[in-house]
Amino acid sequence: DAKTTQPTSMDCAEGRAANLPCNHSTISGNEYVYWYRQIHSQGPQYIIHGLKNNETNEMASLIITEDRKSSTLILPHATLRDTAVYYCIVRVAAYNQGGKLIFGQGTELSVKP
Amino acid sequence: DTAVSQTPKYLVTQMGNDKSIKCEQNLGHDTMYWYKQDSKKFLKIMFSYNNKELIINETVPNRFSPKSPDKAHLNLHINSLELGDSAVYFCASSQVAPAKNIQYFGAGTRLSVL
Repeated sequence: DAKTTQPTSMDCAEGRAANLPCNHSTISGNEYVYWYRQIHSQGPQYIIHGLKNNETNEMASLIITEDRKSSTLILPHATLRDTAVYYCIVRVAAYNQGGKLIFGQGTELSVKP
Repeated sequence: DTAVSQTPKYLVTQMGNDKSIKCEQNLGHDTMYWYKQDSKKFLKIMFSYNNKELIINETVPNRFSPKSPDKAHLNLHINSLELGDSAVYFCASSQVAPAKNIQYFGAGTRLSVL
């Protein structure tokens, strides 16, 4: 699975959009980009994933560059409850891969009032 | 109704003891996992089971033995507990279908070995 690089920490004002970048320059054609987050003292929570097209769901939007070497997770209107560590993970989604997620250090997002 | 539930939530025990952590999922998923999060907050996969069959074992000491009585349960038994086993252990589950390999995590079991 390709390696990802994320900033260690970011701040965002409440109500503003939070844009979390992720570099994955060695990504392969069959690897998806997944985003999870971990709110303090809780289990990780799935947010969104994509292969090459931009994706949006009720939680966030995922923008993947055309060359797929980087992506951005967008929380459109951050709230204090979005304060968490956000993990960008690249992996092959295949039946025989076992499904393991390799978590890096993630980005610690602090949403401030 | 909790999708992935782990018990106990907290576990405090002495070195050398044997303990078990239980995990159950009611999502109908085929695959279950154990992850360990150490004091530095790094999350690492330990085991993965698909339909009761072990498919990932990430060089975990053999004092750790997962057991899957059915595809809705994956328990973790730890023998001869050591100080370094202190961590938060998370159970997760997912469907096998590739594009739907979204993992749902439990709330974690905080193990403290004294």
